[in-house]
Amino acid sequence: AQTVTQSQPEMSVQEAETVTLSCTYDTSESNYYLFWYKQPPSRQMILVIRQEAYKQQNATENRFSVNFQKAAKSFSLKISDSQLGDTAMYFCAFGDNTNAGKSTFGDGTTLTVKP
Amino acid sequence: DSGVTQTPKHLITATGQRVTLRCSPRSGDLSVYWYQQSLDQGLQFLIQYYNGEERAKGNILERFSAQQFPDLHSELNLSSLELGDSALYFCASSAPPLYNEQFFGPGTRLTVL
Repeated sequence: AQTVTQSQPEMSVQEAETVTLSCTYDTSESNYYLFWYKQPPSRQMILVIRQEAYKQQNATENRFSVNFQKAAKSFSLKISDSQLGDTAMYFCAFGDNTNAGKSTFGDGTTLTVKP
Repeated sequence: DSGVTQTPKHLITATGQRVTLRCSPRSGDLSVYWYQQSLDQGLQFLIQYYNGEERAKGNILERFSAQQFPDLHSELNLSSLELGDSALYFCASSAPPLYNEQFFGPGTRLTVL
C-alpha cells in the first residue's frame, strides 16, 4: 500500500517570500501521479499542481512549482512570492494507475502567510 | 467551480438518525469518490465507484453505504449516526486518462447533535 507523509503540520511565511512544503511517499509502482491540493478556509479542495512520474521535468504553475525527486520519493511544493490568499491547508496526494484512480492523501500542512 | 455538485450544503441531525448525501460528478466523469474530513483533520477515503460499480473501499464504516446510479450521480447513506460522524463529507470525480486527478465538490457539512 502506498503511504504519503507530510512532516510539517504547520508552517508560516512572510508575504512576498518563498516557502517550501515537504512531501515524501512510498510506493513500488513505477507509473504514477503526484498532486498538491489546496484547502483554504472555505474548505473547498483545489488542485494546485500535478506531476507525472515519468516526466523528469518539474511541473510549474505560475508561482507554484515542485521539486520531484523520484529516486528519493520526494515531492516538495515551492510557493514563490507568497500572498495572503495562499493561506490554506495543503495536501500532497499520490495516485497510481492500478486502482482506477484511487489516491492516497497526506495529513496536510497548514500554511499561514503573514502580512 | 469544479463542476461537481453536492447537496445539501449543511445537514444537522440527531444521533441514531439516517441521512443521505448526494453528489453529481462533472459531466462525463465516470469515477466518483467519497471522503470524510473531521475538524482540522486530513481526508479519509471512504469509497470509490466507477460507472456504477464499486471499485475501491477505504475506511468506511458498516453503518455507511454508497451507490452510483445509471445517470452517474452518487449517494452516500449514513445510518445510526453518532456524534463522531460529524464531519465534512466530500465527493470528487475524475475521468480518463488522468483518473487520479480528482475534482472536488464543495462538501456537505454534517452535524450530529
